[in-house]
Amino acid sequence: NAGVTQTPKFQVLKTGQSMTLQCAQDMNHEYMSWYRQDPGMGLRLIHYSVGAGITDQGEVPNGYNVSRSTTEDFPLRLLSAAPSQTSVYFCASSWDRDSYEQYFGPGTRLTVT
Amino acid sequence: AQSVAQPEDQVNVAEGNPLTVKCTYSVSGNPYLFWYVQYPNRGLQFLLKYITGDNLVKGSYGFEAEFNKSQTSFHLKKPSALVSDSALYFCAVRGPTGNMLTFGGGTRLMVKP
Repeated sequence: NAGVTQTPKFQVLKTGQSMTLQCAQDMNHEYMSWYRQDPGMGLRLIHYSVGAGITDQGEVPNGYNVSRSTTEDFPLRLLSAAPSQTSVYFCASSWDRDSYEQYFGPGTRLTVT
Repeated sequence: AQSVAQPEDQVNVAEGNPLTVKCTYSVSGNPYLFWYVQYPNRGLQFLLKYITGDNLVKGSYGFEAEFNKSQTSFHLKKPSALVSDSALYFCAVRGPTGNMLTFGGGTRLMVKP
């Protein structure tokens, strides 16, 4: 199993540009989530999904959209990038909402200038 | 709202000495508590969890954590630190019915030879 994969590893955007961060898992996990990691602030939940077709907002959802058309994929879209979205983004998955261990991808480092 | 506090940005310990990384939490209902570790340029890896039962929980790589309900704490411990334990450690909490995992700000552990 590849586990949780994320692309790209690095990305630089200009303010106002849009892009999609890709996340895929091959473990047939129902629960997937997106976090952003900023220094001193730990990881903050952006959006999550408890299964295909079902998504919900986390702690910091503004400026981000998600969809979950398949069990495997959970892309995160930035519609109009802002410097405040400069961060490291992690995707994670687990069997379901009640599974206690989340598996994290390697992260995407995004810089918005 | 649930929250996690890791009061130390960094913990320094000599190799072979015991280590403690502190965590306190706030959540409605019985907590589900977790420790994750992050090595440089990597995603988070699950270390251990407390859901119910024995207050002393054992996890990966010789780590353990003690749940103290009265002090709302879940400190991470290891009897003898290794240089290879040097990493960023995150405590996280979830409520019994919630979908969201809340992380602390992280504590950098530096083990010196």
